[in-house]
Amino acid sequence: GENVEQHPSTLSVQEGDSAVIKCTYSDSASNYFPWYKQELGKRPQLIIDIRSNVGEKKDQRIAVTLNKTAKHFSLHITETQPEDSAVYFCAASKVQGAQKLVFGQGTRLTINP
Amino acid sequence: DAEITQSPRHKITETGRQVTLACHQTWNHNNMFWYRQDLGHGLRLIHYSYGVQDTNKGEVSDGYSVSRSNTEDLPLTLESAASSQTSVYFCASSDGTSREQYFGPGTRLTVT
Repeated sequence: GENVEQHPSTLSVQEGDSAVIKCTYSDSASNYFPWYKQELGKRPQLIIDIRSNVGEKKDQRIAVTLNKTAKHFSLHITETQPEDSAVYFCAASKVQGAQKLVFGQGTRLTINP
Repeated sequence: DAEITQSPRHKITETGRQVTLACHQTWNHNNMFWYRQDLGHGLRLIHYSYGVQDTNKGEVSDGYSVSRSNTEDLPLTLESAASSQTSVYFCASSDGTSREQYFGPGTRLTVT
């Protein structure tokens, strides 16, 4: 089955700097790659996603890139702010079936003022 | 407003007891999922459902069961609670078109 590896497990950056979180997946049939943000004590929420027919997608300060050949995708956050501090999860799924997601282990991002 | 709710939010139970966690969504989504969240493991899928009367095992289904008798609810039952099942449990739903999964607020379960 699908396996998603996420790195790093923790990341600390200065406010205003950029942060990058990377994920690799094993199943070449996966074609949907969402990123979820989970603030302390809260539920995970989708922040951005990308499908396999697209190489990059941006939404204001966040962007996701996908390399299908290498089977990896990354989350980029620019001009980081204190409210970006959270745990971020990548995931992968296929089109067919119930669209179940396989999640990475998570990255705890801390923005230092 | 449409939403997804879980109850109880916190539960303490003893080893060997049967426990049922409730999940209710008002979006009329066909797909529903149960995950457990443990430090270092992210979110792991327990069971999922495509629709009424459909249930499927996820990657960590041993010791858990679900039933889907209507669109809105997917209760999760721990047949005989074990200490290894102490975790935070999240329910989620999706409509199958947008692919986005909407998560409930979570249930923190402690098995003593």
